[in-house]
Amino acid sequence: GAVVSQHPSWVICKSGTSVKIECRSLDFQATTMFWYRQFPKQSLMLMATSNEGSKATYEQGVEKDKFLINHASLTLSTLTVTSAHPEDSSFYICSASQFSYNEQFFGPGTRLTVL
Amino acid sequence: GDSVTQMEGPVTLSEEAFLTINCTYTATGYPSLFWYVQYPGEGLQLLLKATKADDKGSNKGFEATYRKETTSFHLEKGSVQVSDSAVYFCALSAPLRGTASKLTFGTGTRLQVTL
Repeated sequence: GAVVSQHPSWVICKSGTSVKIECRSLDFQATTMFWYRQFPKQSLMLMATSNEGSKATYEQGVEKDKFLINHASLTLSTLTVTSAHPEDSSFYICSASQFSYNEQFFGPGTRLTVL
Repeated sequence: GDSVTQMEGPVTLSEEAFLTINCTYTATGYPSLFWYVQYPGEGLQLLLKATKADDKGSNKGFEATYRKETTSFHLEKGSVQVSDSAVYFCALSAPLRGTASKLTFGTGTRLQVTL
């Protein structure tokens, strides 16, 4: 099956710093990648949808200047949490989809802890 | 808008017991329906899916049938194992023309299986 990786798997940073999370599709070309946020014991909240070579589409209530998404190639998307604060601590999950398929393949997630 | 409602957990069962996790949905058009499983500390894995009414998805002993008349997609397994302990998410995807499909998730149901 299709494999999606995320790096790093966990990160701890100080308040005010920026953190970049990478999402890669290892064995297929991902026209579209999705970024989710998961709070403890809750469901996944879609943050944004990114299409290769174009600007990401953010869900209502998600600050695009806070969560910078880049999808520069068909195998890589990055999420940068800028000026992170403790309330940004969460589990961030990406998924990738080929345009013609009605299925998303999920990465293993990145746990961000902001001190 | 689209929504998914699933029974709240946690669900605690003894090994070899029968499992049912209820899921109902609201959507326009004809969505595809999914069950995802999330093991502790990991990302989501697709467990099974169904793309049209009366389809039955099955995998690893789990089954779910797409019931359009009751807008339901209940997950069942005849005999659970300790290794099935995880969080289960029901989700739907309603593809839009020319775009990859967004997933709408339920809140997740935690299953704990004991010896």
